[in-house]
Amino acid sequence: QAVVTQEPSLTVSPGGTVTLTCGSSTGGVTSGHYPYWFQQKPGQAPRTLIYDTINKHSWTPARFSGSLLGGRAALTLSGAQPEDEAEYYCLLDYPDFRVFGGGTKLTVL
Amino acid sequence: EVHLLESGGGFVQPGGSLRLSCAASGFTFNNYPMTWVRQAPGKGLEWVSDIPGSGGRTYYADSVKGRFTISRDNSKNTLYLQMNSLRPEDTALYYCSKGGFGSVTDYWGQGTLVTVSS
Repeated sequence: QAVVTQEPSLTVSPGGTVTLTCGSSTGGVTSGHYPYWFQQKPGQAPRTLIYDTINKHSWTPARFSGSLLGGRAALTLSGAQPEDEAEYYCLLDYPDFRVFGGGTKLTVL
Repeated sequence: EVHLLESGGGFVQPGGSLRLSCAASGFTFNNYPMTWVRQAPGKGLEWVSDIPGSGGRTYYADSVKGRFTISRDNSKNTLYLQMNSLRPEDTALYYCSKGGFGSVTDYWGQGTLVTVSS
């Protein structure tokens, strides 16, 4: 099965902008992978932020957005808040299986 | 309001079996695929298995194929994961989530902990 890669860690200043990315070992990420982004804080279950590349849930703060960028899925956080400090995971769908990325630990500092 | 409640976790010796359950409410259960995801202590998320809303073809990660079986009882609004031949590396918090292939994965339960150790 495929390997999905993410930056292990990133730091953003409060109010700043940061982009997290997600790549696939099988080639470029496309909308056909239906990229997801999940946020997980310590001791909590994951929370779905973005689905199908760009779509947000009703609970997704407007400062988060999804896209495709240079053959990778991307999650951009514009105007980071202290409460955005968390682990972020992408998920890609393949024909018969799904694979999570290893996660990006985002620090707001 | 969507609610997912996992149960059935516990302590088991290597080679043993457990059956996890996920009781769902707040949505029309048989209309949605469901997913099991696990997270080993201090590690990332790992997709385990998916099942369509009507049952039928199921999907598994290579790490559990042939040992785990996903199923559902739509009359009871309950998802299951039968885990056989358990290994220490199966130790994890197991989450169920609403959605899967062909449907958005949106809501998550709080997880049930499985510990495999001698």
